[in-house]
Amino acid sequence: GNSVTQMEGPVTLSEEAFLTINCTYTATGYPSLFWYVQYPGEGLQLLLKATKADDKGSNKGFEATYRKETTSFHLEKGSVQVSDSAVYFCVSWGGFKTIFGAGTRLFVKA
Amino acid sequence: DTAVSQTPKYLVTQMGNDKSIKCEQNLGHDTMYWYKQDSKKFLKIMFSYNNKELIINETVPNRFSPKSPDKAHLNLHINSLELGDSAVYFCASSRSTPGDLFSSYNEQFFGPGTRLTVL
Repeated sequence: GNSVTQMEGPVTLSEEAFLTINCTYTATGYPSLFWYVQYPGEGLQLLLKATKADDKGSNKGFEATYRKETTSFHLEKGSVQVSDSAVYFCVSWGGFKTIFGAGTRLFVKA
Repeated sequence: DTAVSQTPKYLVTQMGNDKSIKCEQNLGHDTMYWYKQDSKKFLKIMFSYNNKELIINETVPNRFSPKSPDKAHLNLHINSLELGDSAVYFCASSRSTPGDLFSSYNEQFFGPGTRLTVL
């Protein structure tokens, strides 16, 4: 069956550090891939998405590229801010199912 | 102006009680969902409704019963609450493609969550 695996958190970084949160998926066919973000005390919000291989999703300085050959969709940001502290979910949609990863908590220190 | 709203935001109750959580969306979406998020932030879909019809019912105890009086509302009723029901429950909604549900993914919009604590 389809699945999404994210790196375990928490990830703790200093402000302006480079961020990578790894995400890999297994799926029959080629799912659409997403990153959702959950800020403290709030619901999830769509951060970015990519619907086919080699697509790059980007938003708010975050980027992720759909890599078919490595079945990955790693989230990156060049310079994190304290306000980026949140839980990040990698999500796949395919075969009429939405699969959420377990979430990775990011703490950014000033 | 809230797109997806839930009430209450916090719910503290005793084991064995029956409680309801309400969800409303003003986005004109056809599809609504209930998710359960445990203390480790793991998110699990419970139910999905499209145009007031149940379309996804994951393995959830039958103490949980969703009710959709209209397209804009999806309520969750829980009977005989247990300690393990303590979690944050999220409602979400999305558009759907008429005639071919889920043929293209539509972004899900989430409510702020209801934190349920069973004592």
